[in-house]
Amino acid sequence: DIQMTQSPSSLSASVGDRVTISCRASQSISSYLNWYHVKPGKAPKLLIYAASSLQSGVPSRFSGSGSGTDFTLTISSLQPEDFATYYCQQSYNTPPTFGPGTKLEIK
Amino acid sequence: EVQLSDSGGGLVQPGGSLRLSCAASGFTFSSYAMSWVRQAPGKGLEWVSAISGSGGSTYYADSVKGRFTISRDKSKNTLYLQMNSLRGEDTAVYYCAKDRERTVTTLFDSWGQGTLVTVSS
Repeated sequence: DIQMTQSPSSLSASVGDRVTISCRASQSISSYLNWYHVKPGKAPKLLIYAASSLQSGVPSRFSGSGSGTDFTLTISSLQPEDFATYYCQQSYNTPPTFGPGTKLEIK
Repeated sequence: EVQLSDSGGGLVQPGGSLRLSCAASGFTFSSYAMSWVRQAPGKGLEWVSAISGSGGSTYYADSVKGRFTISRDKSKNTLYLQMNSLRGEDTAVYYCAKDRERTVTTLFDSWGQGTLVTVSS
C-alpha cells in the first residue's frame, strides 16, 4: 500500500493568514492526489483533486500543487470556516490511502 | 443537489452483525461508483470498500475482506454495507462517498454525514 504523510500534524493560525500544508507519498503517484477537509459532525468535503484542480464550488483561496511524491495545499487568506482537519489522499491505486491529517486551529 | 444519507449504525457486540445504508438523491445513482470510508475515534480516514456503478466490481480493504460485503440497489438508489464478525477495531463513524466516475477511481466528490458504529460488550 502507498503510505501518505503530512506536515505539520497541527497548525495554529489567524484569520487572514496564508497557510501551507505538505503531503508526501511513499512512491510516485503522478498527480493522483486529492485534498479534503473534515469538520466534527459534518460530511467531509473535497477541495482539490488531481493535485491542482479546484473542485466546483470551493473558494479560490484554496490551491494545490505538486506531482510525483510531494504535494502542497495552500489557503491564501484563512477564513473562520476554514478551521478544520485537512487530509490528503492518493487515488493512484487501490487501496486508496489518506494522510494522517493536519488540524488547523485558531490562534 | 447531491445528497447522501447514511444510516444503520448503532451498538453491537463483538462477533455481531450490522447493515449500513446510504440513501442517494440528486444524481443518477447507477452512473457512479460508491465507497464506504470510516474514521475511528481520534483517528484519520480509512477507506473500507468500493463498488462500481454497475455493481459488477467490488473492492475491499484487507482489514475487512471476508467480513464485510458492499452492495447497491438501483431501484432504491441505496448503497449498503453488510458487516459481519464485527470487532472492536471496527468502531468508527462510517461515511458513504460518491465517486466522480462510473468506474472506481476513489476520487470522492460527495460524502454523507456518517453513521456511528460501536462494537463493544
